[in-house]
Amino acid sequence: GAGVSQSPRYKVAKRGQDVALRCDPISGHVSLFWYQQALGQGPEFLTYFQNEAQLDKSGLPSDRFFAERPEGSVSTLKIQRTQQEDSAVYLCASSRTTSLAGGLRAGNEQFFGPGTRLTVL
Amino acid sequence: GIQVEQSPPDLILQEGANSTLRCNFSDSVNNLQWFHQNPWGQLINLFYIPSGTKQNGRLSATTVATERYSLLYISSSQTTDSGVYFCAGGGQNFVFGPGTRLSVLP
Repeated sequence: GAGVSQSPRYKVAKRGQDVALRCDPISGHVSLFWYQQALGQGPEFLTYFQNEAQLDKSGLPSDRFFAERPEGSVSTLKIQRTQQEDSAVYLCASSRTTSLAGGLRAGNEQFFGPGTRLTVL
Repeated sequence: GIQVEQSPPDLILQEGANSTLRCNFSDSVNNLQWFHQNPWGQLINLFYIPSGTKQNGRLSATTVATERYSLLYISSSQTTDSGVYFCAGGGQNFVFGPGTRLSVLP
């Protein structure tokens, strides 16, 4: 595909429900990122994958949040027992860059999908 | 962690005016990007610019990495330029600034 795609674009959940958000990165992009954007604020980092390996999950706000990328392509962000404070836009981004041992490689231009707007009632 | 500041927070321009948006980082970054978030929420890549100067049509950007700031220039603004402009940077994961909300009036 030409760009990063996300589904669903909109999700309404009742408090306590589980939700799953999908991200299809640009073909061939090794790195995949999830961000959370609250209303009126800039996106905030949640988690990062290089291929199927989750290298950083320091931004996940609680253990109710779980992300996976089992085959190194499509990724799913799952939120269990949703709460009202989880309402936000969830953005996925991908880039070509890989991390090298002993340091980071520059050239980490990230391309973002349209986001999934989650509303928890 | 890295802190990112953007100024001004809000900007209102008449169509045709020029503007400069600024982004300051609290520490050196390996990667830096400017984005435009349109009214539908899509983040559109403007520049990947960890250092130096780039131009694309009416937009240009300059990053002075040694002084940890970047500037985005918009010339001859149009109503379609309205939206929120974010800078973001860091190592592998990006830290975003709070954004500059630009409104261009006809």
